[in-house]
Amino acid sequence: ETGVTQTPRHLVMGMTNKKSLKCEQHLGHNAMYWYKQSAKKPLELMFVYNFKEQTENNSVPSRFSPECPNSSHLFLHLHTLQPEDSALYLCASSQDWGDYNEQFFGPGTRLTVL
Amino acid sequence: AQSVTQLDSQVPVFEEAPVELRCNYSSSVSVYLFWYVQYPNQGLQLLLKYLSGSTLVKGINGFEAEFNKSQTSFHLRKPSVHISDTAEYFCAVSEEGTSNTGFQKLVFGTGTRLLVSP
Repeated sequence: ETGVTQTPRHLVMGMTNKKSLKCEQHLGHNAMYWYKQSAKKPLELMFVYNFKEQTENNSVPSRFSPECPNSSHLFLHLHTLQPEDSALYLCASSQDWGDYNEQFFGPGTRLTVL
Repeated sequence: AQSVTQLDSQVPVFEEAPVELRCNYSSSVSVYLFWYVQYPNQGLQLLLKYLSGSTLVKGINGFEAEFNKSQTSFHLRKPSVHISDTAEYFCAVSEEGTSNTGFQKLVFGTGTRLLVSP
């Protein structure tokens, strides 16, 4: 595997379900990101981790819970989601987070909440 | 806070024709500017970036963009498009994050869908 991988690629869940999204980067990077991409809206940054420590949380509802056990893996735990949470969730990584570092994106997980 | 405006949600063009995708940003300070491309069922890929220096920036796949500070614009151009250029294109500007740690986050526009037909 190369680059940034995400699983699953598609997920359908009910509002009472609990599920997790997984991201893995094979680039030796130290920073990882979760973004939400909704139709007709700009890409929204959700969380940033640098060296496994969360450095940014852009007022994301608590029904989204991130976890970064090491610099290569990032999870997004989902529980009691709402239909408006349906979107494409993108993971990205970069060498570092200070100043500007190019972010490499995964293919995303298409989430549908029924 | 920064904002990015991509006025054209969709741009149809014929193969081998030139194309320009427009991007305007709001900022009173120095910024870094980027164009990303997203092909169907894929993540975003960096096309090009402006950090400093020459205002004309060349990227991958024959694309280029020009930074115009007075007009706060960063339009993307290609002199001759291919069918394979059909994709969503996102303009982005850097902005300092909320944690006051020096982190620069990307603020994205809503995207422009480029549709190239034969």
